[in-house]
Amino acid sequence: DTGVSQNPRHKITKRGQNVTFRCDPISEHNRLYWYRQTLGQGPEFLTYFQNEAQLEKSRLLSDRFSAERPKGSFSTLEIQRTEQGDSAMYLCASSYPGSYEQYFGPGTRLTVT
Amino acid sequence: DQQVKQNSPSLSVQEGRISILNCDYTNSMFDYFLWYKKYPAEGPTFLISISSIKDKNEDGRFTVFLNKSAKHLSLHIVPSQPGDSAVYFCAAGMEYGNKLVFGAGTILRVKS
Repeated sequence: DTGVSQNPRHKITKRGQNVTFRCDPISEHNRLYWYRQTLGQGPEFLTYFQNEAQLEKSRLLSDRFSAERPKGSFSTLEIQRTEQGDSAMYLCASSYPGSYEQYFGPGTRLTVT
Repeated sequence: DQQVKQNSPSLSVQEGRISILNCDYTNSMFDYFLWYKKYPAEGPTFLISISSIKDKNEDGRFTVFLNKSAKHLSLHIVPSQPGDSAVYFCAAGMEYGNKLVFGAGTILRVKS
């Protein structure tokens, strides 16, 4: 069991650029979640998938954000026209069917300059 | 609205003593609660959980207590070890597989 992996671990981009992050969940997990964490706060929910279906999106997820999980395996989170306020740690988690426990990856640290 | 609150930003404890981390919630629909531990530059690591039908759950040095009437839970670590120094997050969920709502975290420092 290799755990949840995320790539890249760090991303520095200029304001206005597009960025894409990837998450590979634990293989048996059918649910995949994206959260965002800023300094001094806990993770905040962005969106989640059951298999390839996106079941819920937070109001935090503006039109510039899009997430996909095309074959129910890995997921990508894209941010278009990045803003300085997008600077945060983006966390991915996955869970077994019928389980509350979510297992997190190491996160992608985004810095928008 | 902060549905899950951790009112103590930090806690300092001597090695070998008990650490007690507290968490309050406002939404009575939450039926499952979890504690996560986070080291710098890493993602949160699941520690222990409790269902709303229980009032206590133990796993080794870690015990979580739930008081539903007070909408309060606590994590006890006995004995505390320097390796326990980390940020601890309380989280709550409403149904299987749904999103978790997190508190802001408490920084625990265990002094040797």
